[in-house]
Amino acid sequence: KNQVEQSPQSLIILEGKNCTLQCNYTVSPFSNLRWYKQDTGRGPVSLTIMTFSENTKSNGRYTATLDADTKQSSLHITASQLSDSASYICVVSANTGFQKLVFGTGTRLLVSP
Amino acid sequence: GAVVSQHPSWVICKSGTSVKIECRSLDFQATTMFWYRQFPKQSLMLMATSNEGSKATYEQGVEKDKFLINHASLTLSTLTVTSAHPEDSSFYICSASAAGITYEQYFGPGTRLTVT
Repeated sequence: KNQVEQSPQSLIILEGKNCTLQCNYTVSPFSNLRWYKQDTGRGPVSLTIMTFSENTKSNGRYTATLDADTKQSSLHITASQLSDSASYICVVSANTGFQKLVFGTGTRLLVSP
Repeated sequence: GAVVSQHPSWVICKSGTSVKIECRSLDFQATTMFWYRQFPKQSLMLMATSNEGSKATYEQGVEKDKFLINHASLTLSTLTVTSAHPEDSSFYICSASAAGITYEQYFGPGTRLTVT
């Protein structure tokens, strides 16, 4: 069964601190892995997308890593800001010929002043 | 580029009535559009996939006669919730994908539906 699990479920950090979110997946055949940021009451916004051959990808203060062997990914946020408070969703695309997305349940991040 | 809009952003309707939600790709042609539903503190759940000019493909457990999807043009898809009930209250999100690229899905901002 295709699944994406994220940890922690929720996280509170102080402004300016770094944090790392985890994602484990069992999706086959694997096509790509994406991290999205979803603000409350808004649609998801893409942060990074990585294919099988990519180990790391950065987007500003966000850096995602991918280990295709262990089927793990992480999203590292550097120097957190209050505006980083949101849900972060790991999404894996199954290469079924139509790119079906398998969503994780997300990590709710709260950056506290 | 790759902007997807939804209208309305929120709607309140009475039980038993129908409500239509629009999803538009503003700067690209979307051959495929997806409709998702998201309950509080849960992740997105795919409801259906629609290709322009074709009937939508519904996920298991989603009633096609209750959630009517029309993808009449390359920039517009609509979701109509018929005979809405309070349990249909949810956050509905669409995404759009253009043919010929890497199947990236661009998400709309979502529509909050409350059925009273």
